[in-house]
Amino acid sequence: EIVLTQSPGTLSLSPGERATLSCRASQSVSSSYLAWYQQKPGQAPRLLIYGASSRATGIPDRFSGSGSGTDFTLTISRLEPEDFAVYYCQQYGSSSWTFGQGTKVEIK
Amino acid sequence: QVQLVESGGGVVQPGRSLRLSCAASGFTFSSYAMHWVRQAPGKGLEWVAVISYDGSNKYYADSVKGRFTISRDNSKNTLYLQMNSLRAEDTAVYYCARDLIFCSSTSCYSGYAFDIWGQGTMVTVSS
Repeated sequence: EIVLTQSPGTLSLSPGERATLSCRASQSVSSSYLAWYQQKPGQAPRLLIYGASSRATGIPDRFSGSGSGTDFTLTISRLEPEDFAVYYCQQYGSSSWTFGQGTKVEIK
Repeated sequence: QVQLVESGGGVVQPGRSLRLSCAASGFTFSSYAMHWVRQAPGKGLEWVAVISYDGSNKYYADSVKGRFTISRDNSKNTLYLQMNSLRAEDTAVYYCARDLIFCSSTSCYSGYAFDIWGQGTMVTVSS
């Protein structure tokens, strides 16, 4: 099973700043099968990015994804107040899906 | 609008059973694979099971294999999760989620991500 490790665990930033979140896989992941989600307290996750770099429907262009192989990145170019949340990466392989443990983006 | 609504959660004793339902609306349910994903209190997300659009293929996480069964009724636009031999570690919010389908100019692809989620239903396993 592929293990996804996200870093940092918590990111403390101010609105308007740039956020860079990392997701590292224990073995190579097809870029097609790497996704990112946002989850706010008490809410279901929301798909942000699929295929490592494609934005889901309705997602603002301040969210971008990149990476390949074992290293993937979610970047939020300028944090808006509504972006403070927990972010998860997720991969698919061998009829199984796994998530990273999450990165919390909090207001500094 | 596109919507998934889970139901059937509650408090159940260890070793007992529970069946969750997920009612879909606003899209052609029978065209999509569907998943169950759970989240223990204060923890991260864990994929549980998937069923193909026609119910012919099913896969499970090792943690629930042999105890949980995913099924669907396309005539009722409803997804199910039958949970048997429940354990304390099964305590979680259970979400149903739709498998993303996206199409290029030549082909359509699925299995990449989960694009629509329900609001979740809480399952507590406790004596």
